[in-house]
Amino acid sequence: ETGVTQTPRHLVMGMTNKKSLKCEQHLGHNAMYWYKQSAKKPLELMFVYNFKEQTENNSVPSRFSPECPNSSHLFLHLHTLQPEDSALYLCASSKTGSGRPDTQYFGPGTRLTVL
Amino acid sequence: KNQVEQSPQSLIILEGKNCTLQCNYTVSPFSNLRWYKQDTGRGPVSLTIMTFSENTKSNGRYTATLDADTKQSSLHITASQLSDSASYICVVSSTGNTPLVFGKGTRLSVIA
Repeated sequence: ETGVTQTPRHLVMGMTNKKSLKCEQHLGHNAMYWYKQSAKKPLELMFVYNFKEQTENNSVPSRFSPECPNSSHLFLHLHTLQPEDSALYLCASSKTGSGRPDTQYFGPGTRLTVL
Repeated sequence: KNQVEQSPQSLIILEGKNCTLQCNYTVSPFSNLRWYKQDTGRGPVSLTIMTFSENTKSNGRYTATLDADTKQSSLHITASQLSDSASYICVVSSTGNTPLVFGKGTRLSVIA
């Protein structure tokens, strides 16, 4: 266990559905991240939150909407997704997201399938 | 353009054998390089992290090397075990707030 949990672990949704992914870290970290991992592609950074403030949005489509109510919780709200959005969505946390990068601790991911 | 290239894409070895995975990068200015292990269905777990001044670092049977001049790194696995079957991802970061640059990973399969 890395101290980062994600729910659900698996999600199947239609293109018209609205769902949310949840991430929680128990490490006392101040930075949290959402990544997308598609088959045979490098991890793609989606969003970065540092001390609950969004510090990075890597040109992610608006159908993905992040929310960070506090330093321990991170959500990814999904609506009107496309089949090509099917992927493993990974959450990570680190001590800080600014200045020198430090080791990120990853959750187990949510395997998302969009029909 | 900042890139991380890993080779081979996939590798199959017999249990007990050694293997070496390669990582070449063009990220500049360089801050540090990490190797992650990702088991199937799980998130990546950090194995090693090396800064510019370090050229080798070990974590049990895993030994990472770094040549900052040629911008190459390798991950050597000694006496492989079935549990070493996973994807190994090389990640390079630059100074400041530049996002981490991930390689596509090498898929290692250790068979009995």
